[in-house]
Amino acid sequence: EPEVTQTPSHQVTQMGQEVILRCVPISNHLYFYWYRQILGQKVEFLVSFYNNEISEKSEIFDDQFSVERPDGSNFTLKIRSTKLEDSAMYFCASKGKTGNTEAFFGQGTRLTVV
Amino acid sequence: GESVGLHLPTLSVQEGDNSIINCAYSNSASDYFIWYKQESGKGPQFIIDIRSNMDKRQGQRVTVLLNKTVKHLSLQIAATQPGDSAVYFCAENPPGGYNKLIFGAGTRLAVHP
Repeated sequence: EPEVTQTPSHQVTQMGQEVILRCVPISNHLYFYWYRQILGQKVEFLVSFYNNEISEKSEIFDDQFSVERPDGSNFTLKIRSTKLEDSAMYFCASKGKTGNTEAFFGQGTRLTVV
Repeated sequence: GESVGLHLPTLSVQEGDNSIINCAYSNSASDYFIWYKQESGKGPQFIIDIRSNMDKRQGQRVTVLLNKTVKHLSLQIAATQPGDSAVYFCAENPPGGYNKLIFGAGTRLAVHP
């Protein structure tokens, strides 16, 4: 069964450092998303990406965040200068088409900022 | 404020019993709803969905009910098993945009033998 894969599973970084979280969406999907989940809290939308550009972003997704689909396969989330409060699980998701269909989520990357 | 919320943060049931997890949503224009299951250390896993033109949908051992009058969503799990122990999130797809999901706070289901 096709699945969304994310690497690494766990990333520890020092405050102020840049991190790149990587995702390989399901191969024929067109819509890509990043969500985050702070420990014990709900899953929060960060950004959606379609046709090689950001289609929507939340208030959380400030200038420190960026996304890229560099090679038609990977989908990355970059945090330029990490803060302690960026510590969370980050989930990548993809959809095959617009409309009322489910998004498939990866296993997540646990980001710990120290 | 939150668009989607849950009434019960934790639900404990005996193995074999039926479970009911509830969710309230605030955007009456949302047209699509999903229940996700999240096991510890894993990503949300799709369970069942329902469109706003339906009030009930059944899957394998799961049923989702949608009451648009009171903006309420529920997930029923029949004959709950230990493997059902997880956190369950409802999510809504508000109108417009590119189908982002707004998640509720989550309910932890604990199944006891």
